[in-house]
Amino acid sequence: DSGVTQTPKHLITATGQRVTLRCSPRSGDLSVYWYQQSLDQGLQFLIQYYNGEERAKGNILERFSAQQFPDLHSELNLSSLELGDSALYFCASTLTGASYNEQFFGPGTRLTVL
Amino acid sequence: AQTVTQSQPEMSVQEAETVTLSCTYDTSESDYYLFWYKQPPSRQMILVIRQEAYKQQNATENRFSVNFQKAAKSFSLKISDSQLGDAAMYFCAYIIIQGAQKLVFGQGTRLTINP
Repeated sequence: DSGVTQTPKHLITATGQRVTLRCSPRSGDLSVYWYQQSLDQGLQFLIQYYNGEERAKGNILERFSAQQFPDLHSELNLSSLELGDSALYFCASTLTGASYNEQFFGPGTRLTVL
Repeated sequence: AQTVTQSQPEMSVQEAETVTLSCTYDTSESDYYLFWYKQPPSRQMILVIRQEAYKQQNATENRFSVNFQKAAKSFSLKISDSQLGDAAMYFCAYIIIQGAQKLVFGQGTRLTINP
């Protein structure tokens, strides 16, 4: 158990819908990362937050957005869902967000878009 | 472009034998960290081993060791005395020290352990 929690574990929805994925980092960690793991694209970095502020952005679609709240949990919002958004979404957390910090991964949320 | 290539989509090894997983990467940066992550059927991403690019000495963690060749941009993982619990997807990844703090992953190698 990494100490990072993600809810829900599974999510099944229809095209065009909107969903919210939630991540709670390890106690004391200030930085949160979101990754998408799909069959065709592999594991890709989406976005990073540090202490409530966006730190880095990767291959995140405009239909996707994220935020980190004052209690440091983070939410990833996916809207106008398409079949290709079906994937495993991971959250990871680190103490400070520096490269030398190990990223601890949550168990992931499996999103299926029908 | 920042890329990681794992040329072996699948590997298999007999229990108790040794297996080496290959990884090459491409970055113009000189300071970075390299990682091997394990993803068992539970889907949990587990850090196996880490290597700092500025260190010439290869990292080891019990039965896991790496062969880091910076000039060749090669970072292979050796698993000795393979165990059934080692069966998983293995991902090679790196993160640069300056700039975006993101892990760049390879496509993974599925490792099967034959009893």
